[in-house]
This record gives sequence, structure tokens and C-alpha cells, in this order.
Amino acid sequence: EPEVTQTPSHQVTQMGQEVILRCVPISNHLYFYWYRQILGQKVEFLVSFYNNEISEKSEIFDDQFSVERPDGSNFTLKIRSTKLEDSAMYFCASRGQGAGELFFGEGSRLTVL
Amino acid sequence: GDSVTQMEGPVTLSEEAFLTINCTYTATGYPSLFWYVQYPGEGLQLLLKATKADDKGSNKGFEATYRKETTSFHLEKGSVQVSDSAVYFCALSEETSGSRLTFGEGTQLTVNP
Repeated sequence: EPEVTQTPSHQVTQMGQEVILRCVPISNHLYFYWYRQILGQKVEFLVSFYNNEISEKSEIFDDQFSVERPDGSNFTLKIRSTKLEDSAMYFCASRGQGAGELFFGEGSRLTVL
Repeated sequence: GDSVTQMEGPVTLSEEAFLTINCTYTATGYPSLFWYVQYPGEGLQLLLKATKADDKGSNKGFEATYRKETTSFHLEKGSVQVSDSAVYFCALSEETSGSRLTFGEGTQLTVNP
């Protein structure tokens, strides 16, 4: 069964460092998303991406964040200069054409020290 | 703005017990409602959904009915199994926001043999 894969599963970094989280969406999907969940809090929407551009972003997604689809298979989330409060589980999701189901990856846990 | 509120967890039950996880929502329009499940070490998976009032979503013995009058979408199962142990997330999406999901806090369910 096709699935969304994310790497790394866990990353520990120092405050101020750049981090790139990687996602491989399901191959024929067209819409891509990043969500995050700070420990003990809700899963929050960060950004959606379609046709090689951001289609929507939340207030959390400030200038420190960026997304990219560098090739036909990867979808990345970059945090330019990490802060302690960026520590969270980051989930990638994708969906196909139409109002279909979102398929989520297993998440990447980011710990900022 | 849109919001989803779930009953506080964690919930611990014995095998074959009846399960209810409460979920209420606030939305400006007519949202679609979802329950997602996250098994240990895995990503978020769609469990069931309902797209309009009075619809009942069902899957794997779980059910939830879209109640517009009480703005609720409570998850129920008549007889839980150890394998149902997971975190359950209630979520909504509005047509105006495409497939952007607004999640509840998540409820950890542990079923003991």
C-alpha cells in the first residue's frame, strides 16, 4: 500500500541551527501539507502546497519556515534558525485530486536544545 | 475561527468494554468531520468521516454520528480490543479551507486484556 514517508524520525539540534525535514508523498498525489504537534498540544496546520507554490499557510509559518519540492518526489520543510519552541512532532501529509483523504507520514520528532 | 474539543484523556478500559470519546466543534460553515487514529510508531490514519448532518461514519466497529444540533461527533465502539490502543484525534475541515484540517487535542486510549 502506498504511504507517505518522512525522514529523519528524530532529530536533535542546537538552537539557531538550520533543520530540513524531508517527506516523500504518495507518488500520484498533488497536494502536500505540513502539520506539527508540540508535546501535549493539538496537531496544528502549518502550510499547504500545490502546483509548486504555497496555497495556504498559518500564522505559525513565519519567515523562519520554508517549503520546497526540489524534485518530483521530495517535499521538504526547512526551519532556518531553530528556537526552543520549535521542538515538536512534524507531520507531512498528501492527497490526490479532489476532496479526498489526507494520508499522513509517521512524523519527524524535532528536539531543539 | 474553527476549533475542535475532545474529552480529556488518557482513557483506560478493559477488553470488551464500551468506548465513548466525546468531540465537539465550532465552525463558521458546514464542515466535514473526521476521526483519525495514531497507533504506536505509526502516522495518522483516517478512521472514519461524515460530510453532512446526521451522517454516520463507521469503520472497524467504530461509529460516529454528525450531530449539527449539538455540534458533536462522538466516537463509539461497543466492544474494544487490546489492538484498539492508540491515540484518537477528532478533526474538521471546511469547504472554504479546502482540506485543511483543524484537530482536537487527541485522546490516548489504552485497552487492557
